[in-house]
Amino acid sequence: KAGVTQTPRYLIKTRGQQVTLSCSPISGHRSVSWYQQTPGQGLQFLFEYFSETQRNKGNFPGRFSGRQFSNSRSEMNVSTLELGDSALYLCASSSQGLGQPQHFGDGTRLSIL
Amino acid sequence: DAKTTQPNSMESNEEEPVHLPCNHSTISGTDYIHWYRQLPSQGPEYVIHGLTSNVNNRMASLAIAEDRKSSTLILHRATLRDAAVYYCIPEGGNFNKFYFGSGTKLNVKP
Repeated sequence: KAGVTQTPRYLIKTRGQQVTLSCSPISGHRSVSWYQQTPGQGLQFLFEYFSETQRNKGNFPGRFSGRQFSNSRSEMNVSTLELGDSALYLCASSSQGLGQPQHFGDGTRLSIL
Repeated sequence: DAKTTQPNSMESNEEEPVHLPCNHSTISGTDYIHWYRQLPSQGPEYVIHGLTSNVNNRMASLAIAEDRKSSTLILHRATLRDAAVYYCIPEGGNFNKFYFGSGTKLNVKP
């Protein structure tokens, strides 16, 4: 069974640009969650999508957004990039949501210059 | 949100049992306790979760205190592959509480 796939693995952007990250969940999983990991703040929950609807949201500004498609694939978008957005962005999928075991991808490393 | 307290780091010898503690004194009655671990350069990996009684799976055991204010993750025989950061996460029934803390970095010595 294929795991969670995140693309791209590495990305370099400059301040003010916008970026879109992609996540393909495990087949059959309807819940996709996104996390940001930085050395200073650790792992922080961004949001969760279930059946194309955002169901839960963490404490991030509106520059961070996402969506989920009918095949459960999800994208995360960050607009007007800031230096502090440099981080590892992790995606996780589960069958029903946060309360079920989440399966994580290996992340997208985003660097802002 | 329920807050957790975990030791910053622990050390174990290979093939010995490891007990990783977590204090979650503000947990609510419906919060499950989840444990995840993160190996170097990888995304987190689910380990185990439970509500009230002790739980076992092929990876580990979870012992939950009777008052649910603390729990202990037990690795029965540590291997080098178990060296990772272990996170204890109380999760509320409304699913809007899933926050990783700073975790415990486990070092396993050969």
